[in-house]
Amino acid sequence: DAGITQSPRHKVTETGTPVTLRCHQTENHRYMYWYRQDPGHGLRLIHYSYGVKDTDKGEVSDGYSVSRSKTEDFLLTLESATSSQTSVYFCAIIASGVRDTQYFGPGTRLTVL
Amino acid sequence: QQQVKQSPQSLIVQKGGISIINCAYENTAFDYFPWYQQFPGKGPALLIAIRPDVSEKKEGRFTISFNKSAKQFSLHIMDSQPGDSATYFCAASSNTDKLIFGTGTRLQVFP
Repeated sequence: DAGITQSPRHKVTETGTPVTLRCHQTENHRYMYWYRQDPGHGLRLIHYSYGVKDTDKGEVSDGYSVSRSKTEDFLLTLESATSSQTSVYFCAIIASGVRDTQYFGPGTRLTVL
Repeated sequence: QQQVKQSPQSLIVQKGGISIINCAYENTAFDYFPWYQQFPGKGPALLIAIRPDVSEKKEGRFTISFNKSAKQFSLHIMDSQPGDSATYFCAASSNTDKLIFGTGTRLQVFP
């Protein structure tokens, strides 16, 4: 699992509430990514980071924000959760020195009621 | 929108048979093509990857075939086993550190 943990692993919340998901890595990897996985859509990139305080938008960034104040933590925030954000969220890293090869965390299953 | 199109959506194969999953892309700048395997409740894990300077790469029972002119690549699983039952994703990237994923193929291998 390349030293990646995600928390929480499961969360049920209500529409309109803020939600923050955490990705934590222990090996000082520079590149970190947030994806969502939905049936029929595969994995879609939400946001990514090239380093501390260096983030950018992915394919499906609307409704999401991220922060990276420390190398080891990449936070994904849903400011006001909607039912369309019910999904499984995966964090990934690129292992230093191994171009393009992404390693994924175990995922967070989020349900927005 | 850069896309990677994957087929079939689902695949049922008998134990010992060959599983074949296909992907097609349009962006000729793509230069890295990995396949990921995902078991239920787990994150995707890199299975095998190829770069366009070769037409085939084999690792054990898993082979990637790459056709640059047709802009297609495929995963072949020889002697498929029940333990291979999983969802498989193809992907592509173009030196941007961002992967574009296919929509996935659910493989079921029956004894």
